[in-house]
Amino acid sequence: AQSVTQLGSHVSVSEGALVLLRCNYSSSVPPYLFWYVQYPNQGLQLLLKYTTGATLVKGINGFEAEFKKSETSFHLTKPSAHMSDAAEYFCAVSSLVSNYKLTFGKGTLLTVNP
Amino acid sequence: ETGVTQTPRHLVMGMTNKKSLKCEQHLGHNAMYWYKQSAKKPLELMFVYSLEERVENNSVPSRFSPECPNSSHLFLHLHTLQPEDSALYLCASSSGSGRRYGYTFGSGTRLTVV
Repeated sequence: AQSVTQLGSHVSVSEGALVLLRCNYSSSVPPYLFWYVQYPNQGLQLLLKYTTGATLVKGINGFEAEFKKSETSFHLTKPSAHMSDAAEYFCAVSSLVSNYKLTFGKGTLLTVNP
Repeated sequence: ETGVTQTPRHLVMGMTNKKSLKCEQHLGHNAMYWYKQSAKKPLELMFVYSLEERVENNSVPSRFSPECPNSSHLFLHLHTLQPEDSALYLCASSSGSGRRYGYTFGSGTRLTVV
């Protein structure tokens, strides 16, 4: 079964610093991969996704992620953190047996300090 | 209205009550989902409804009962819940394969069982 590991339940950065949120997946074949963001008292919003093609994927709000098959990773980055980036971020991997199921990681809470 | 709308946003219920959560999507999607989000745990898929597939997580207790009268509406009927059922319940929808295209989430219903 597919699984997702997000290293670090809490990441703290200074405003203007690089943001790096780590995601590793377990899958017998290259999966589809997603990053979602959740602001307080809201649902999850899709940031970006990798399906096929270019391994560097650009998303909304200046975020991007790179699919590295050899490392089974899909880390999320942003060159310069904004205060408004403070939120919880979830990595998700597609299922091999269901057309509809995604498996989510436990999430990483990003704090941005002034 | 646009997107995925969930009502109510907050619900407090006793263990002997019966209540229902409602979800409506205005995106023309053809699959809908219920996820449970508990603190410190990954999102848990409870139910999927689509034209091709209905998926139930076998670990979901029978005190949760889904209903999907059409492709735009999804309900979660609740009865004789336990305090450990307190969580954020998220509805989502997708156009076609959720595993390939990802989901659009609603803002969730915060459920507290007392």
